[in-house]
Amino acid sequence: DTAVSQTPKYLVTQMGNDKSIKCEQNLGHDTMYWYKQDSKKFLKIMFSYNNKELIINETVPNRFSPKSPDKAHLNLHINSLELGDSAVYFCASSIDRGWPPLHFGNGTRLTVT
Amino acid sequence: QKEVEQNSGPLSVPEGAIASLNCTYSDRGSQSFFWYRQYSGKSPELIMFIYSNGDKEDGRFTAQLNKASQYVSLLIRDSQPSDSATYLCAVLLNTGFQKLVFGTGTRLLVSP
Repeated sequence: DTAVSQTPKYLVTQMGNDKSIKCEQNLGHDTMYWYKQDSKKFLKIMFSYNNKELIINETVPNRFSPKSPDKAHLNLHINSLELGDSAVYFCASSIDRGWPPLHFGNGTRLTVT
Repeated sequence: QKEVEQNSGPLSVPEGAIASLNCTYSDRGSQSFFWYRQYSGKSPELIMFIYSNGDKEDGRFTAQLNKASQYVSLLIRDSQPSDSATYLCAVLLNTGFQKLVFGTGTRLLVSP
């Protein structure tokens, strides 16, 4: 039974399109994250939610909008996609905000052409 | 200066040897340090964490922390080809809220 699941696994789209990535965790964790891993494998936090409340919002373009309908779900919507958005996006969860990410999803490889 | 720095490698060691992976960090106030392993094409997985100066051992893995030198390391004893992966050092920054910052990772290659 997958702990953190994100869909889709691959996303290929054209510049200017809008796309969403979904994430769900079945661990009962309070905190969820979105990370971006670029082509050089640098993993950088984008957003963190604790019990549906936004607690970390890094300097991410406002084309990126996270939404957490409940503490088990954290979705990422991206408007007006650009070439530089191509990366692997990882969802993760932790017990609460005092813990580091304990479980990562399998990643969504986004390719913008 | 980057918040967390690692040598990108690759670090090549023969099977059975000790692999030593190093990491330095810039925030003196950091209290918690983590090592993640990431196989190619896979997601990161947490393998070790350390909070106090000194060594912490877990099986073949030993994490070492020296806060005065702002230095964290991971030793892998009896390295196996299955240990070949990228090892990410991560530091929890106390910036009003806790934010985990990753290094760029060191790629380890263990040859049979």
